[in-house]
Amino acid sequence: DGGITQSPKYLFRKEGQNVTLSCEQNLNHDAMYWYRQDPGQGLRLIYYSQIVNDFQKGDIAEGYSVSREKKESFPLTVTSAQKNPTAFYLCASSIGGGGGQPQHFGDGTRLSIL
Amino acid sequence: AQSVTQPDIHITVSEGASLELRCNYSYGATPYLFWYVQSPGQGLQLLLKYFSGDTLVQGIKGFEAEFKRSQSSFNLRKPSVHWSDAAEYFCAVGSVSGGYNKLIFGAGTRLAVHP
Repeated sequence: DGGITQSPKYLFRKEGQNVTLSCEQNLNHDAMYWYRQDPGQGLRLIYYSQIVNDFQKGDIAEGYSVSREKKESFPLTVTSAQKNPTAFYLCASSIGGGGGQPQHFGDGTRLSIL
Repeated sequence: AQSVTQPDIHITVSEGASLELRCNYSYGATPYLFWYVQSPGQGLQLLLKYFSGDTLVQGIKGFEAEFKRSQSSFNLRKPSVHWSDAAEYFCAVGSVSGGYNKLIFGAGTRLAVHP
């Protein structure tokens, strides 16, 4: 079945450490997204990518970085500059194009500080 | 700026009762509207979407939503709630910014179902 796979499901970060969250999709979607979810705040967009080798900052990109070297992969790195990284991170993808395209979500990665 | 408001943070209903979750949006043009559901520790699943045409939209799991332009609302309804409907529900509006497809989410409504 087609879908989005996020790994790991749980991740722990030490102070000063960079960690990378994986997101892979086999839906042949052009666009991919990373969201951060905190209790009571809904989803906030970190980065998004419409095509390979292109990505844009979302609303809360500081302390995060991404790459899009392959259509099916969009890894997110949480750097040591992100001082409050504890959150639930969701990856999504869509066919692309206009604002009417629904996004499909992975099952998320929960990141905590050691 | 586009925004989505879900006025109810928590709602509790009895199993078998009807349900209405409220969503209000702010968007300059004809909006693309979505409802998603999230079970604990899981990703979001699309329940239904509105693009244009019929203002009453049917979705999965027996849910429906009605688009009311005059009220800038897109409320989600279900005639009879099941215990398995307990989850968090998110309303979202789709927009295109700089050629990119974006979703703007509300803060969510957490639904509890009493037996």
